[in-house]
Amino acid sequence: NAGVTQTPKFQVLKTGQSMTLQCAQDMNHEYMSWYRQDPGMGLRLIHYSVGAGITDQGEVPNGYNVSRSTTEDFPLRLLSAAPSQTSVYFCASSADRGPSNIQYFGAGTRLSVL
Amino acid sequence: GEDVEQSLFLSVREGDSSVINCTYTDSSSTYLYWYKQEPGAGLQLLTYIFSNMDMKQDQRLTVLLNKKDKHLSLRIADTQTGDSAIYFCAESRNTGGFKTIFGAGTRLFVKA
Repeated sequence: NAGVTQTPKFQVLKTGQSMTLQCAQDMNHEYMSWYRQDPGMGLRLIHYSVGAGITDQGEVPNGYNVSRSTTEDFPLRLLSAAPSQTSVYFCASSADRGPSNIQYFGAGTRLSVL
Repeated sequence: GEDVEQSLFLSVREGDSSVINCTYTDSSSTYLYWYKQEPGAGLQLLTYIFSNMDMKQDQRLTVLLNKKDKHLSLRIADTQTGDSAIYFCAESRNTGGFKTIFGAGTRLFVKA
């Protein structure tokens, strides 16, 4: 079982470049989210989706766009990369957004912006 | 993460017990979680406790919840080198749909 798959695992960008971080899950989960992890800080929610065609902002959405055209895929786009976006990005999915809300995480994408 | 606090480091000797502590602020949190992150990997759910429970035990893991003090702890008995990882405390908070708030993570070092 693949679970949540993120690509690429590593990426180096120059300031101003754009790129898309891919996330796919094969568990038929409705709820997907993107987090960033920075040293000494917990995971911070960037954007989330409660189903195909529905997305919403998390706590740190600036500089990032998302779309959800299928249940399986939830790509994260950086339109114009900035050094402040250097981070580790995690995609997660869960069956619903109820109180149990157990999330399944991908292995992460380590992004450096120079 | 906002309002979920953990110490950043813990070092123990192999075979000892480890206790990782966490405080949270939202008294309405329904579920509290412990996630484990091994080097180069994503987070994996280790265990969780429902807010009407005081304790949950699962093999070497014991979770204690003190709702009055909003304090959660994870005890790992007979800690092994394979337990070296970052442990994240998290709470499920109702914000019109449930949102998971993560702490900054406690890095556990196990010395042989």
